[in-house]
Amino acid sequence: GAGVSQSPSNKVTEKGKDVELRCDPISGHTALYWYRQSLGQGLEFLIYFQGNSAPDKSGLPSDRFSAERTGGSVSTLTIQRTQQEDSAVYLCASSLLTYEQYFGPGTRLTVT
Amino acid sequence: SQQGEEDPQALSIQEGENATMNCSYKTSINNLQWYRQNSGRGLVHLILIRSNEREKHSGRLRVTLDTSKKSSSLLITASRAADTASYFCATDSDYKLSFGAGTTVTVRA
Repeated sequence: GAGVSQSPSNKVTEKGKDVELRCDPISGHTALYWYRQSLGQGLEFLIYFQGNSAPDKSGLPSDRFSAERTGGSVSTLTIQRTQQEDSAVYLCASSLLTYEQYFGPGTRLTVT
Repeated sequence: SQQGEEDPQALSIQEGENATMNCSYKTSINNLQWYRQNSGRGLVHLILIRSNEREKHSGRLRVTLDTSKKSSSLLITASRAADTASYFCATDSDYKLSFGAGTTVTVRA
């Protein structure tokens, strides 16, 4: 069956531009997570969606970051006015409840 | 902030040898999971051990959990070149996972 998909796989943008990253979770998975991974580092939690509950946005590093999940399925992570320190791989994962998470291949964002 | 911390940061072994890595965490957990990451992209779930379990096996993988010491270990037996990857532990203390910085394992042919 289809896994988690993310698009684009790579994104190069100029400092100050806005970017949108997309995540298509596994059908039926109620939980969706966004993480950020800088080079050689572990995963940094950004935001968590669970069903119709209010999302946990506690990991978003600044108000330039926002995310939404439409219809309990597809999610979009938006970064406004990108900065060079935003360069990282952005990973999306989905799961049933809070158990095993299935990760997408990630979007590598480079801010020049 | 990261909950788990893996040790060592990097490990290089010969094909056929065993690889052991450890994970320590700070707060109480519901379960602990290990993931593998190849080439800096998506992670693959390896194994989950619940807080009331002490040891779990899956193929060549053996995971232990000591909640009194707040630590876990991952053993890969009879390593193969394909095991070259970064390995992360992740703790589930609420509804989200907290990942450590990972152990990079290199298996030499």
